[in-house]
Amino acid sequence: EIVMTQSPATLSVSPGERATLSCRASQSVSSNLAWYQQKPGQAPRLLIYGASTRATGIPARFSGSGSGTEFTLTVSSLQSEDFAVYYCQQYNNWPPLTFGGGTKVEIK
Amino acid sequence: QVQLQESGPGLVKPSETLSLTCTVSGGSVSSGSYYWSWIRQPPGKGLEWIGYMHYSGTTNYNPSLRSRVTISLDTSKNQFSLKLSSVTDADTAVYYCAREPLGSGWQPNWFDSWGQGTLVTVSS
Repeated sequence: EIVMTQSPATLSVSPGERATLSCRASQSVSSNLAWYQQKPGQAPRLLIYGASTRATGIPARFSGSGSGTEFTLTVSSLQSEDFAVYYCQQYNNWPPLTFGGGTKVEIK
Repeated sequence: QVQLQESGPGLVKPSETLSLTCTVSGGSVSSGSYYWSWIRQPPGKGLEWIGYMHYSGTTNYNPSLRSRVTISLDTSKNQFSLKLSSVTDADTAVYYCAREPLGSGWQPNWFDSWGQGTLVTVSS
């Protein structure tokens, strides 16, 4: 099973600032990685797939990078609606498909 | 735009079987382009993939749950279902149904559409 590790667990950022979230895989997942945003009481929403491709309707301030075992999600200028929990997910080796433990982005 | 909606009992007794249904609108479970999946999230915790099914009958389950899980499709009702047997407190979670585009070589991918989720509590 591929273990996905996200860091930090919590990120405190001021509105308008840049947020950088990390996701590490226990073995290479190539570019088979997705990112999701989850707000309280809501289902996760797909942000990024293929490590760097934005899903339909996702603003350009969200960008993904990386391959192999190291990945980054960057939010260039945090808006109020971006404060949420973010998860990465690998789909290179299965079963099982696995998610990271999440990074909570909170208002500083 | 596809929409998914979970339904089923919110309370299940220990050792019994959890049964949930996901109704799909704006799309078809008969589409060969997607896997139809279940994912769960214990309160305050992260996401765990349970398994998926394809219209062809192909299924794949999380090895940690495989002995207790069955996912099925009902094309006449455009629904898919989850059964999880012998539940314990550890199965208390929000259960989501989701759609997963099919990749080349039957590779699963990301989850592009999700239901709103339904909380299932295991308690006597």
